[in-house]
Amino acid sequence: DSGVTQTPKHLITATGQRVTLRCSPRSGDLSVYWYQQSLDQGLQFLIQYYNGEERAKGNILERFSAQQFPDLHSELNLSSLELGDSALYFCASSVGRVNSPLHFGNGTRLTVT
Amino acid sequence: DQQVKQNSPSLSVQEGRISILNCDYTNSMFDYFLWYKKYPAEGPTFLISISSIKDKNEDGRFTVFLNKSAKHLSLHIVPSQPGDSAVYFCAAGVSGGSNYKLTFGKGTLLTVNP
Repeated sequence: DSGVTQTPKHLITATGQRVTLRCSPRSGDLSVYWYQQSLDQGLQFLIQYYNGEERAKGNILERFSAQQFPDLHSELNLSSLELGDSALYFCASSVGRVNSPLHFGNGTRLTVT
Repeated sequence: DQQVKQNSPSLSVQEGRISILNCDYTNSMFDYFLWYKKYPAEGPTFLISISSIKDKNEDGRFTVFLNKSAKHLSLHIVPSQPGDSAVYFCAAGVSGGSNYKLTFGKGTLLTVNP
């Protein structure tokens, strides 16, 4: 158990809809990362937050947004969903120090029909 | 542009033998490298890391080797056990700066046969 909690585990929704994925980091971790894993793809970095502030942005679509709240949990919002958004979405956390390993949750599997 | 490449999608070895997983990178700025293991229906789990100031790091049955001139790293598992069967991801990062993030390869599926 990594200590990172992601909800829900599975999500099935229709194209054009909006969903919110939630992540609670490990106790004491200030940094939260979101990654997307599509079929036959590696983990694609989406966005990083540190203590409530956005720190780094990767290949995140404009239809996607995220935030980190004062209690350090984070939410990833996906809107105007398309079939191609179907993927595993992982949240990871770390203490935020350089070279500290990321600890991943078990992911949310999103299926867009 | 894939900056971290794992060219072998899968690898099969016999229990007790050595498993060697390979990873190549293109970004010269990467100076910190990690290996993660992933079982089905679980998130990736940190396995071992190495800084660019070293060329080898060992932790029990797991050893990571780094060849900076070739931009290549490898993970050796000796001896391999059936429980090691999983997808292994290579990851690389740039230390320094406040936007520390990791770039991952696509993974190699290791199967250890009893």
